[in-house]
Amino acid sequence: GAGVSQSPRYKVAKRGQDVALRCDPISGHVSLFWYQQALGQGPEFLTYFQNEAQLDKSGLPSDRFFAERPEGSVSTLKIQRTQQEDSAVYLCASSPRTGNNGYTFGSGTRLTVV
Amino acid sequence: AQSVTQLDSHVSVSEGTPVLLRCNYSSSYSPSLFWYVQHPNKGLQLLLKYTSAATLVKGINGFEAEFKKSETSFHLTKPSAHMSDAAEYFCVVSDAPNAGGTSYGKLTFGQGTILTVHP
Repeated sequence: GAGVSQSPRYKVAKRGQDVALRCDPISGHVSLFWYQQALGQGPEFLTYFQNEAQLDKSGLPSDRFFAERPEGSVSTLKIQRTQQEDSAVYLCASSPRTGNNGYTFGSGTRLTVV
Repeated sequence: AQSVTQLDSHVSVSEGTPVLLRCNYSSSYSPSLFWYVQHPNKGLQLLLKYTSAATLVKGINGFEAEFKKSETSFHLTKPSAHMSDAAEYFCVVSDAPNAGGTSYGKLTFGQGTILTVHP
């Protein structure tokens, strides 16, 4: 597609429920990032993929968070046993190469944990 | 390590007057710097970027920013605000390519500045 597509746009989860958030990057983009944006804050780095390899997961806040990109295209961010503090907008971005080249952000998934 | 400080959480201007959004950065090496805009319920859009070429960078919609190494600043300006400029703006720093370590272009965002434009 022409842009980075994220689904669902909105997700309401009950505390303790597992959720899966999907990111479809621009076709052929090597780099894929996930960011978490809490209300009133700037986005914060979660994890980075170069093709199918997860090269950096230092930003994942706990072991309840897990991300994958098995075929080097679509990526899924999974959150197990959701907590209220997980409520945020989750942003995905892709880039054609590594380095500071042409990031395109998706519109995000707004997760609300009740 | 790298960080960004946006000096104002809110800026309010009248339509047709100049806009100034302030940003200071900290980086261990020559940084790449960006300004992004986020309209409500929309994705982040790149306004402009500095990657060690000209220190005055022109972006979309009449915005520009000047990289000042001595002041570690990268302030965003626009001569005349338009109602459609009302949004949240983020100053962003990236580790430079080939800087050593994990230099794949990880972005560090500031806290954001909400710009309000009054008629």
